[in-house]
Amino acid sequence: ETGVTQTPRHLVMGMTNKKSLKCEQHLGHNAMYWYKQSAKKPLELMFVYSLEERVENNSVPSRFSPECPNSSHLFLHLHTLQPEDSALYLCASSQEAGTGANVLTFGAGSRLTVL
Amino acid sequence: GESVGLHLPTLSVQEGDNSIINCAYSNSASDYFIWYKQESGKGPQFIIDIRSNMDKRQGQRVTVLLNKTVKHLSLQIAATQPGDSAVYFCAENNAGNMLTFGGGTRLMVKP
Repeated sequence: ETGVTQTPRHLVMGMTNKKSLKCEQHLGHNAMYWYKQSAKKPLELMFVYSLEERVENNSVPSRFSPECPNSSHLFLHLHTLQPEDSALYLCASSQEAGTGANVLTFGAGSRLTVL
Repeated sequence: GESVGLHLPTLSVQEGDNSIINCAYSNSASDYFIWYKQESGKGPQFIIDIRSNMDKRQGQRVTVLLNKTVKHLSLQIAATQPGDSAVYFCAENNAGNMLTFGGGTRLMVKP
């Protein structure tokens, strides 16, 4: 496989469930990102990892917990979510984080619905 | 705070015509800009980028124009095709910071 792969593509969960989103990149990049995409809102940066170290956390509620075990894999653990958390969650990677010419490569996203 | 925004939420064009999608940015320190295309059911895909030391850059059927005086960015698509139907995002960056995305413009191509 090439590029950035996200699983599952669709997820429906109740507010008391615990689930995880997975992202894998095959590009040899050093930085990985989680973005939230809601209807009628710009892409919202949630977390950034560079060489497996978290470098940015944009005031995301603690019910979202990221994990980056290595530079190729990124997880987003979900626990006691709210209906307003329903959105498309996009994973991305880039060669480096926080540099000027920073082209992100995105996965297809995980569509999350919280009931 | 500083932000990137798009003028038009929806643009409808006839197949074969040229399309122009606009974007305003407010951070004068931004020195790098990217256009992304997002088709239904897919993640955003890189189209073209431009650095602030340029005012024009061309790709295959796409041209990005940067006007730093008025902080305006545009994406021109020549001979628009049905496959160009998507949401287009501009994004800005400055050294040491993360990309900031605009709200997106939906391009609809009429046959």
